[in-house]
Amino acid sequence: GAGVSQSPSNKVTEKGKDVELRCDPISGHTALYWYRQSLGQGLEFLIYFQGNSAPDKSGLPSDRFSAERTGGSVSTLTIQRTQQEDSAVYLCASSQDVTSGGNTDTQYFGPGTRLTVL
Amino acid sequence: KQEVTQIPAALSVPEGENLVLNCSFTDSAIYNLQWFRQDPGKGLTSLLLIQSSQREQTSGRLNASLDKSSGRSTLYIAASQPGDSATYLCALSGNTPLVFGKGTRLSVIA
Repeated sequence: GAGVSQSPSNKVTEKGKDVELRCDPISGHTALYWYRQSLGQGLEFLIYFQGNSAPDKSGLPSDRFSAERTGGSVSTLTIQRTQQEDSAVYLCASSQDVTSGGNTDTQYFGPGTRLTVL
Repeated sequence: KQEVTQIPAALSVPEGENLVLNCSFTDSAIYNLQWFRQDPGKGLTSLLLIQSSQREQTSGRLNASLDKSSGRSTLYIAASQPGDSATYLCALSGNTPLVFGKGTRLSVIA
C-alpha cells in the first residue's frame, strides 16, 4: 500500500476486556515497530520485529501486552485485561531495513489507534 | 539509558520568523537522529534523518544539525508559515529502537 495503515482508528473498551490492534506496514518493509503515546508523554517504544528474527519485546510494559507478526507483514498488538492506564494512542511504524545493533532507516508511521479504556 | 530532552516544550512565533528547535541527548553512541512532525490526531511524518557521521541535513526550509560530542541537535525552520504549526519530535537510534523526546509544540501565528 501507499503507507502504513492501522485499524481501528478509535477503540473504546471497558476495563478488563481484551483488545486487538492491527497494523499493515508498507509492502516490502522488513522492520515493524509498535509505540505508545500517552497524554502528555513522549512516544514509548513497545516492541519491534525484524524479518524472521525473534522480536525485541523489551519495551512491553507488562505481560498483558503481546504482539505477533504473521508472514512477515501484518502485525497485531493484543492487550489483555485492559486497564485505564492503557488508554493511549498506539502507533505502528515500518522501515525498509534494520542493520545489526538496532540502526534504522527512516521509519514511516501509521495514523495510530486511539484506545480509551473506561 | 538514552534520555532525550526537547526545549522549549511550546513555542509561538509570528509568521515569517526564523526559528530553532533544540534537542539534547545523554548518550552520544547513536546511529542516527531523526526529526519528525506530528499534527494533532495524526501519526508522525519524518522530516530529516541525520546519520551519525553527518553534521547536517537540509530539506527545503528545514535544516537539521547534529553535534554528537555535545549531545545536541537543532532543527532550523526558515520563514515560518502557519502550516508549520505542529509538534516536532526528535528521536535517536542507538543500540535500541528509536528513543523520542517529548516534542516541541510550535504555533505559527498569521
